[in-house]
Amino acid sequence: SQKIEQNSEALNIQEGKTATLTCNYTNYSPAYLQWYRQDPGRGPVFLLLIRENEKEKRKERLKVTFDTTLKQSLFHITASQPADSATYLCALVPNTGNQFYFGTGTSLTVIP
Amino acid sequence: NAGVTQNPKFQVLKTGQSMTLQCAQDMNHNSMYWYRQDPGMGLRLIYYSASEGTTDKGEVPNGYNVSRLNKREFSLRLESAAPSQTSVYFCASSEVGSGYTFGSGTRLTVV
Repeated sequence: SQKIEQNSEALNIQEGKTATLTCNYTNYSPAYLQWYRQDPGRGPVFLLLIRENEKEKRKERLKVTFDTTLKQSLFHITASQPADSATYLCALVPNTGNQFYFGTGTSLTVIP
Repeated sequence: NAGVTQNPKFQVLKTGQSMTLQCAQDMNHNSMYWYRQDPGMGLRLIYYSASEGTTDKGEVPNGYNVSRLNKREFSLRLESAAPSQTSVYFCASSEVGSGYTFGSGTRLTVV
C-alpha cells in the first residue's frame, strides 16, 4: 500500500541549531513534493515545493532536498528560532494524479 | 485578499442531523478540495473538484456529498451525521503545480 511517513516523535532543538525533518514514502512515483507548516488551531500554510527532477530548493532559512532513489525528502530550518515551533507536514502528488497525499506531520519545538 | 474562507468555524451536531460546510476562495483557482484531519491520521482527502462543474471522490468520501456551486464556492454536506465524522474539516484551493491555500478549518463535533 502507499504510505508517507514523517518523524513520529516530536523534535526538540536548541535555538540557533539546524532542525532536520524527514519525509519517507513508499509505492509512489511523485511528480512533486511539498512542505507545509501548521500552527495549533490553524490550517496548514504552504512553504516549499520541489519537483522530481530537482535535488534541492531553498527559501530564506529553509532548505528542502528530494532523493527519488531513497524515496526521501529532508526539510531543514537553519538558525532555528522559537517562532519556528509548529507542526510540519509533507505532501506529495503522484505522477498519476493531481491529488495531494499528506504525512501525519512532525511537531517541532525550538527551545530558547 | 481573504484567501479561503470557511463557515462555520465551530459546530456541534446530534447524530442524524444534517449540515453543509461552506467554502469560498477569491484567488481564481480552478481546483478545490475538502480534507478532514484527525489525530494520528493526518489530512485525508474527502472530495475534490479539479475545475468548475466537476467533482471526484477522494480517500474517505463515504457519508459526504459536495457541490461545486461556481468557480469560487465548494460546499461539503453531511446528510446524516455520525460520531465518526467528528473531526476538523479543511477546505483548500490550488492551481496545478502550486501549493494549496487552506482555510482556517471547521471544528465539528457529532454527539
